[in-house]
Amino acid sequence: AQSVSQHNHHVILSEAASLELGCNYSYGGTVNLFWYVQYPGQHLQLLLKYFSGDPLVKGIKGFEAEFIKSKFSFNLRKPSVQWSDTAEYFCALYSGTYKYIFGTGTRLKVLA
Amino acid sequence: EAGVTQFPSHSVIEKGQTVTLRCDPISGHDNLYWYRRVMGKEIKFLLHFVKESKQDESGMPNNRFLAERTGGTYSTLKVQPAELEDSGVYFCASSQQGLWEQYFGPGTRLTVT
Repeated sequence: AQSVSQHNHHVILSEAASLELGCNYSYGGTVNLFWYVQYPGQHLQLLLKYFSGDPLVKGIKGFEAEFIKSKFSFNLRKPSVQWSDTAEYFCALYSGTYKYIFGTGTRLKVLA
Repeated sequence: EAGVTQFPSHSVIEKGQTVTLRCDPISGHDNLYWYRRVMGKEIKFLLHFVKESKQDESGMPNNRFLAERTGGTYSTLKVQPAELEDSGVYFCASSQQGLWEQYFGPGTRLTVT
């Protein structure tokens, strides 16, 4: 069965700290992986995506993620977070059947 | 271009009552999806429309949930009668035919008391 696990449910960081949010998936076929973000009061927005090619993917707002096939992981990183990065982050898998499989989300709070 | 809109943004109803949620997809998007997030859990797929046809309703929890998409434009999701465990945030998303990227609405927060 397809699944996505996000191990960090709540993360609190100070501004300028580095961020890494974990995401592991379970799926035996070709995967398409995404990170979505939901800022307070706003829609879910796509941060970045991986379909194929370079396993290091760069997204908007300075975020990047690395696809490591051997570890079934797609961790999200940012070298230096800002207060405005406070949001909930969702890792998702798309297996080609039109539906996304989401993780449980990680709430990030950045202290100014 | 207007995004996906959902109405209402919040709804508080009593157990046993009926609630209807509405989603207006991005104009021209044939695919429309409903997802639900119960507190603390993952966002889960409910169903998928292509135009007015249900393609996949494997995620619908039970027959108290009825989704429609008349004319292939907006969609409604009715819960009748509502139970406490139906509380959560209901997201709608849409995408163009043949494309993977889904655009999400802001969600409707449903609270059943």
